[in-house]
Amino acid sequence: NAGVTQTPKFQVLKTGQSMTLQCAQDMNHEYMSWYRQDPGMGLRLIHYSVGAGITDQGEVPNGYNVSRSTTEDFPLRLLSAAPSQTSVYFCASSYSITGNYGYTFGSGTRLTVV
Amino acid sequence: DAKTTQPPSMDCAEGRAANLPCNHSTISGNEYVYWYRQIHSQGPQYIIHGLKNNETNEMASLIITEDRKSSTLILPHATLRDTAVYYCIVSPLERGTYKYIFGTGTRLKVLA
Repeated sequence: NAGVTQTPKFQVLKTGQSMTLQCAQDMNHEYMSWYRQDPGMGLRLIHYSVGAGITDQGEVPNGYNVSRSTTEDFPLRLLSAAPSQTSVYFCASSYSITGNYGYTFGSGTRLTVV
Repeated sequence: DAKTTQPPSMDCAEGRAANLPCNHSTISGNEYVYWYRQIHSQGPQYIIHGLKNNETNEMASLIITEDRKSSTLILPHATLRDTAVYYCIVSPLERGTYKYIFGTGTRLKVLA
């Protein structure tokens, strides 16, 4: 049981490049979400999904796209990277959307945009 | 904006109880209080949650005031490994789903 797996762990991008951050969970969780954490700040919700085929925006969705074609995977796409997107990105999942079973977070992807 | 207010930092002696307060004066009747912690730059770790009754698990206890406007997370015997940032979260209901809004948390330092 791997929990929530994020890849890559580290990434450096040039401004304007695109990339996809991968997130996979093997717990059959319906709810998945992406957060970003800037230095000294709390986590901010980017996008979330309450099940396969269903996604919605969080607090800071601009510059990011998501899709949920399977229960297990929830990739986050940066279409044209900007320095303001330099951050640590966390993926989380939960059995239910209320999170009453607790959210399981991945170990994060540290992204630097130069 | 986060719906909770926490002190930015606290110290606690190893082996003593750590009591972390949280104010959530605008909490709604159907909103839960959640606590997570983040050790170094790892992903946050779920600790406990509650609605209005006090809760206890193997990690901690959660005390919620009767008016639900504040709560306290208690780590009964703090160890050095409990040094972390602790987040108190009230999850708002928006468009039919619950979403976490993280504040900046309390940085707990357990001292040897």
